Amino acid sequence: DIQMTQSPSSLSASVGDRVTITCRASQGITNDLAWYQQRPGKAPTRLIYRASSLQSGVPSRFSGGGSGTEFTLTISSLQPEDFATYYCLQHNSYPLTVGGGTKVEIK
Amino acid sequence: EVQLVESGGGLVQPGGSLRLSCAASGFTFSDHYMDWVRQAPGKGLEWVGRSRNKAMSYTTEYAASVKGRFTISRDDSENSLYLQMNSLRTEDTAVYYCAKVSSVTGYSFDYWGQGTLVTVSS
Repeated sequence: DIQMTQSPSSLSASVGDRVTITCRASQGITNDLAWYQQRPGKAPTRLIYRASSLQSGVPSRFSGGGSGTEFTLTISSLQPEDFATYYCLQHNSYPLTVGGGTKVEIK
Repeated sequence: EVQLVESGGGLVQPGGSLRLSCAASGFTFSDHYMDWVRQAPGKGLEWVGRSRNKAMSYTTEYAASVKGRFTISRDDSENSLYLQMNSLRTEDTAVYYCAKVSSVTGYSFDYWGQGTLVTVSS
């Protein structure tokens, strides 16, 4: 199975801060990676697909990068509605696996 | 508008069975792979399994943790996805989401349902 190691597991940041979350795959997954945001009590929503493509309707402050084994999700200027938990998902091979999540909290 | 609505969750005793349903609308259900993903209380997301479409002979994939106990099926005429869960364990307690797999924007999930809670407890 491909292990997805996500870091940090949590972070505290202020509105306007630039935030970067990293996901590392235990083996190469080309660009078969998506990023999701989950607010408390809600289903996840997709932010980024194919590692760096922005989902329609998602604000441009979100961006994704990387390929192979190392990937990043960056929020260029954190907004109040961005405080949530973020997950990476690899869909290169079965079983699909998900990073452990990053909880972004208000400083 | 794409909609996915899960139902069938509830309280079940260890060793028991439960069948979840996911009613889909707003897209051509028969064209798409569909997955189940779960989330234990306070924990992260865990992929459960996949149903491929008719073009791929409705084949399925499962996570090791549920293989042999859970079965995914679908009825394209009813635009519905199912998860039959047998021999349930306390560790199967979770919110279960159905998710539509995008065939255009990479094979990840572009839409999720709101989830249905399954509690396995005596």
